[in-house]
Amino acid sequence: AQSVTQLDSQVPVFEEAPVELRCNYSSSVSVYLFWYVQYPNQGLQLLLKYLSGSTLVKGINGFEAEFNKSQTSFHLRKPSVHISDTAEYFCAVTRNSGYALNFGKGTSLLVTP
Amino acid sequence: NAGVTQTPKFQVLKTGQSMTLQCAQDMNHNSMYWYRQDPGMGLRLIYYSASEGTTDKGEVPNGYNVSRLNKREFSLRLESAAPSQTSVYFCASSEQGENSPLHFGNGTRLTVT
Repeated sequence: AQSVTQLDSQVPVFEEAPVELRCNYSSSVSVYLFWYVQYPNQGLQLLLKYLSGSTLVKGINGFEAEFNKSQTSFHLRKPSVHISDTAEYFCAVTRNSGYALNFGKGTSLLVTP
Repeated sequence: NAGVTQTPKFQVLKTGQSMTLQCAQDMNHNSMYWYRQDPGMGLRLIYYSASEGTTDKGEVPNGYNVSRLNKREFSLRLESAAPSQTSVYFCASSEQGENSPLHFGNGTRLTVT
């Protein structure tokens, strides 16, 4: 079965600084990988996804992620964060059943001036 | 375009009471899901419906039942609420297939006293 580990529960960062949110997964088969963002009191929104092809995936709001099969990682990066990026970020991988996602526990990104 | 609509937004129940959480999507998606979100636990899958007429258990199905009423609607029922079911519940939908991203509703915040 697939599982997802988000290595940091909280990441504080100053505005305009770069950020990396780490995600590792375990799976014995090929996977599809996703990053979602949750703003306060809202549902989750898709940031980006890796299905196949180029290992560098670009998403919305200037975020990108790199799929590294040898390290079983899918880290999320942004070169310069804004206050508005303050949110909870979830990494997810497809489950064995094929239809539902298995989510990590989330990383809370706090951007301060 | 409403997307995924959940009702109610908030609910307080006493232990032993029952209730149904409603979910409807207008994107003509085949698959629908119920997740619960608890602090530090991420999102955990309760039940999902890969297509109209089918439902399957997720990670944490105990204490819940679901009904896929039609292609648009997927309800979650708590027959006898317990304090351990205090959580935020999210409904989601996707086109059929393991590479399809999920679209989430805004959640129902349930408190069981």
